[in-house]
Amino acid sequence: GDSVTQMEGPVTLSEEAFLTINCTYTATGYPSLFWYVQYPGEGLQLLLKATKADDKGSNKGFEATYRKETTSFHLEKGSVQVSDSAVYFCALIRNQAGTALIFGKGTTLSVSS
Amino acid sequence: EPEVTQTPSHQVTQMGQEVILRCVPISNHLYFYWYRQILGQKVEFLVSFYNNEISEKSEIFDDQFSVERPDGSNFTLKIRSTKLEDSAMYFCASSDSDGETQYFGPGTRLLVL
Repeated sequence: GDSVTQMEGPVTLSEEAFLTINCTYTATGYPSLFWYVQYPGEGLQLLLKATKADDKGSNKGFEATYRKETTSFHLEKGSVQVSDSAVYFCALIRNQAGTALIFGKGTTLSVSS
Repeated sequence: EPEVTQTPSHQVTQMGQEVILRCVPISNHLYFYWYRQILGQKVEFLVSFYNNEISEKSEIFDDQFSVERPDGSNFTLKIRSTKLEDSAMYFCASSDSDGETQYFGPGTRLLVL
């Protein structure tokens, strides 16, 4: 079945460091890909998405490119802030309305000043 | 900005009791979902709902669970006889007519004693 694999955390960085969180997926067909973020004590917020190969999603300085050849959707940010400390979830959905989001296990990011 | 709301934010119940978790999806959305997240684990899909019917459900969504849209705004998840292992954060989500991008509520933390 469809699945998402994320790098194990926690990831600990200093402020202004470069961030990469790896995400790869297994899916039949052409899923849409998402990154969600969960700040401490809060729910899931959509961070960015990409719906087809070579699309780049971006938001709040975060970027991820849909790479079909490597089945990857790695999250990057050039300069992290303390306020970026959160759990980041990579997810996919089959291109069929109303179906389940399939999540990775999440990667905890901790940024110190 | 419209958002998904959930009540209560926390609920404590005794094993074997029934609980109803409530959600108000974004008003013009057509697809509704429930997910759960056991502490420290990944977010898992439970069920999706469209046009007053369940459109997809997971293996977790057994006969103990039911969903309902009792009026034009609320979407509920009922657990008939709670078990200890039902303790989790339950998230409601909704999406518009494309049925793809899902927006999540803040969650209800359920604790079964």
